[in-house]
Amino acid sequence: AQSVTQLGSHVSVSEGALVLLRCNYSSSVPPYLFWYVQYPNQGLQLLLKYTTGATLVKGINGFEAEFKKSETSFHLTKPSAHMSDAAEYFCAVSDSGGGADGLTFGKGTHLIIQP
Amino acid sequence: IAGITQAPTSQILAAGRRMTLRCTQDMRHNAMYWYRQDLGLGLRLIHYSNTAGTTGKGEVPDGYSVSRANTDDFPLTLASAVPSQTSVYFCASSETRGNTEAFFGQGTRLTVV
Repeated sequence: AQSVTQLGSHVSVSEGALVLLRCNYSSSVPPYLFWYVQYPNQGLQLLLKYTTGATLVKGINGFEAEFKKSETSFHLTKPSAHMSDAAEYFCAVSDSGGGADGLTFGKGTHLIIQP
Repeated sequence: IAGITQAPTSQILAAGRRMTLRCTQDMRHNAMYWYRQDLGLGLRLIHYSNTAGTTGKGEVPDGYSVSRANTDDFPLTLASAVPSQTSVYFCASSETRGNTEAFFGQGTRLTVV
C-alpha cells in the first residue's frame, strides 16, 4: 500500500522568499512521484513528476523537487515566491509496478503568499 | 484542446435522488478515474477503469457506480444521494494505468440536501 504525507496544511511565506513544501511517501516498490497545483475553483494541473533518472526534476513556474530515496521524500521548492503561486499543492504517488490503480494523494498544502 | 470535460459544473440535489456525473475525454487515454475532494482529506479515488469495458473500486466506492462502454466516456452514478456525498468530484485520465501523469477535469461541485 502507498501513502503520502504532506507536512503542514498551510504554509505562509513572504513574496520573494523561498518556498518549501514537504512531502514524504511510503511505497513497497519504486515510486513515481508527482506534484500538482490547484488554483481556486479549478482542476489539478501537473507541476512536475519523477519517474526514473535524474533525481532533481524541474517543473513549470520555476518549481523543482528532489527525489531522496533514503529519506523517502519529494519536497517541492521555489527560490522566490510570487503572489501568483498562492494555491493548493498536492503531492501524489503512483505504483511503478502497476500493482495499484490511480494516484494516491496527500491531503494538500495551502500556500499563502504575504505581500 | 478540450482534454477532459465534466458536466454539470455544479448541482444541488435532494437526498434520495439519482444523479449521473458525466465525464468525456478526447485524448484517447486508456485509464480513467473518479476522485472526490473534501476539505482536509485531499483527493480520494472512488472508481477507476484501466480500459474500456473494465472498472474497479477505489478507496471510497460505496454509494457510487461507474461504467465504461467506450474509451471516451466514464459516467459516475449516485443511485440514491446522501448528504455525505456532498463534495467536489474530479474526473481524470491517464495514458496507461498507474505510471503516467493524470489529466484532470475542472470538477463538479455537488451539494446533497
